[in-house]
Amino acid sequence: GAGVSQSPSNKVTEKGKDVELRCDPISGHTALYWYRQSLGQGLEFLIYFQGNSAPDKSGLPSDRFSAERTGGSVSTLTIQRTQQEDSAVYLCASSPSGNSMSGYTFGSGTRLTVV
Amino acid sequence: GNSVTQMEGPVTLSEEAFLTINCTYTATGYPSLFWYVQYPGEGLQLLLKATKADDKGSNKGFEATYRKETTSFHLEKGSVQVSDSAVYFCALSGSSGYSTLTFGKGTMLLVSP
Repeated sequence: GAGVSQSPSNKVTEKGKDVELRCDPISGHTALYWYRQSLGQGLEFLIYFQGNSAPDKSGLPSDRFSAERTGGSVSTLTIQRTQQEDSAVYLCASSPSGNSMSGYTFGSGTRLTVV
Repeated sequence: GNSVTQMEGPVTLSEEAFLTINCTYTATGYPSLFWYVQYPGEGLQLLLKATKADDKGSNKGFEATYRKETTSFHLEKGSVQVSDSAVYFCALSGSSGYSTLTFGKGTMLLVSP
């Protein structure tokens, strides 16, 4: 596609429920990244994919968080048993390769609210 | 590890004023440096970048110079417009073949007519 597409744009969920966030990167971009943007905290790295594998998942905050990528394209970030502290904007980005010197293209994000 | 420190906002300016947003970093080796901008309701967009010391990145009237001696990458614009109101993020990438971007906390800029 022309840009990085994320869905849904907004999600309100009850505490304890599972949620899935989707990211559709730019066609041909092999690298895909998930970040979390919390108020006053800037952007927190979660996980990086190169193709379908995740060489760096060091930013996932707990085992409730997981992500996968299939076909070297779409990625899904899953949060199980959501907690109120999971409320944030989840941003996905892609780049042509794993070399970040070219910069990333970001999606508009999914705003997650856990009530 | 790598880190980026930005001045806290909001920065409030009148139209046509001069803008400086300070950014300093800590990193090993020779990182690349970036400024991203996030307009209200939108995702982050790459504004400019510099990949080696003394490089100057520029775009849309904004400039930033990679200063290794002071580990800084301050963003400047000579005359801001209302449309520049946004959140600005400084970021760095490590010097290894693969690395993720490390971001600062962002600085909100508000420009009034």
